[in-house]
Amino acid sequence: SQQGEEDPQALSIQEGENATMNCSYKTSINNLQWYRQNSGRGLVHLILIRSNEREKHSGRLRVTLDTSKKSSSLLITASRAADTASYFCAPSGQAGTALIFGKGTTLSVSS
Amino acid sequence: DTGVSQDPRHKITKRGQNVTFRCDPISEHNRLYWYRQTLGQGPEFLTYFQNEAQLEKSRLLSDRFSAERPKGSFSTLEIQRTEQGDSAMYLCASSLFRGLANYGYTFGSGTRLTVV
Repeated sequence: SQQGEEDPQALSIQEGENATMNCSYKTSINNLQWYRQNSGRGLVHLILIRSNEREKHSGRLRVTLDTSKKSSSLLITASRAADTASYFCAPSGQAGTALIFGKGTTLSVSS
Repeated sequence: DTGVSQDPRHKITKRGQNVTFRCDPISEHNRLYWYRQTLGQGPEFLTYFQNEAQLEKSRLLSDRFSAERPKGSFSTLEIQRTEQGDSAMYLCASSLFRGLANYGYTFGSGTRLTVV
């Protein structure tokens, strides 16, 4: 299993601004997943991007994947206060072992 | 199905006592995972099952921790002789695993354990 590393560790923006967080990983993947966690709650699956995809959209979320650089980014457009949460990336390897999570990016959106 | 259920939501126990947590996964999911999370950290992998078989257990996991998934349905996580360092949120997740591919995990709301 491999762990993704999110960057930055913390991000503070105003409502309406875009938020970009990045993820790097080390070995080849089958897919990469992004999760959100609101304070004191379980994680919520946001989006899964397969290794043969370069970009994926879901509502205000846009995920890109660059397998040559072993990196991914999550863009949240027009942020809202409700987007305040921790965001985790989880690369899923070829063998399908359990996801390993890093420390995440803590996003604070102020109104 | 209403998602992944965990019980109890909160547990306060005295050091040295045993505790058991339960997780009911989404019925169509064949994999079930346990994670532990402390403040400011990401979820730490503990163990996972595919159907009733326990396929992996973290090497960092103490022998005081044991998990079961009888009949491939619900799972229990037991911690024996609890220590203050066991205080954490214990998260359960389930997923559908097919053809070497991990699909998205559905997490429960967690069980918060406080050891006093």
